[in-house]
Amino acid sequence: DGGITQSPKYLFRKEGQNVTLSCEQNLNHDAMYWYRQDPGQGLRLIYYSQIVNDFQKGDIAEGYSVSREKKESFPLTVTSAQKNPTAFYLCASSAGSTGELFFGEGSRLTVL
Amino acid sequence: GQQVMQIPQYQHVQEGEDFTTYCNSSTTLSNIQWYKQRPGGHPVFLIQLVKSGEVKKQKRLTFQFGEAKKNSSLHITATQTTDVGTYFCAGPESQNFNKFYFGSGTKLNVKP
Repeated sequence: DGGITQSPKYLFRKEGQNVTLSCEQNLNHDAMYWYRQDPGQGLRLIYYSQIVNDFQKGDIAEGYSVSREKKESFPLTVTSAQKNPTAFYLCASSAGSTGELFFGEGSRLTVL
Repeated sequence: GQQVMQIPQYQHVQEGEDFTTYCNSSTTLSNIQWYKQRPGGHPVFLIQLVKSGEVKKQKRLTFQFGEAKKNSSLHITATQTTDVGTYFCAGPESQNFNKFYFGSGTKLNVKP
């Protein structure tokens, strides 16, 4: 089945450790996005990529890094520089800038 | 940056009552999309509106796009417990269609 897969679903880390969240899609979509969602809040854009080997910062990119070496994959690294990393992270893809977003099931990161 | 505001933040209704959520953008939107996120889930695409003044219906759901393309609404007639969730509007940034912004969301609770 076509879709977008995020892993892990739940992740616990100690403060000061970098963590990488995986996002893979087999929808052949060019565009991929990372959003952060805090409890009771909306979605805030971290990074987005419209094409392989290119990505752009969203509104809250500080403390995060991404790569887009393959069309199917858009991993997000939460670095130790991110001051408040505990959140629900959602990856999405779309066929183009005006297409609907397809979301993965999310990764819930808790920093202890 | 672009602001997409939604009101109300929360809405509690009795099953069978109607529900409306409103979305307002600080800038003109080329299109607007609506998503539903069930508790503990990920956002799922509902619909996209593109034309000024457009109205679309999906069973009990009615979506409107304002004449100035700066606001939108979602109206649910005769709510059911299956309507529970958070409803988000989303649209591309006016200067950069590749940046997709989400509203703050309206959380709907339906009492049986």
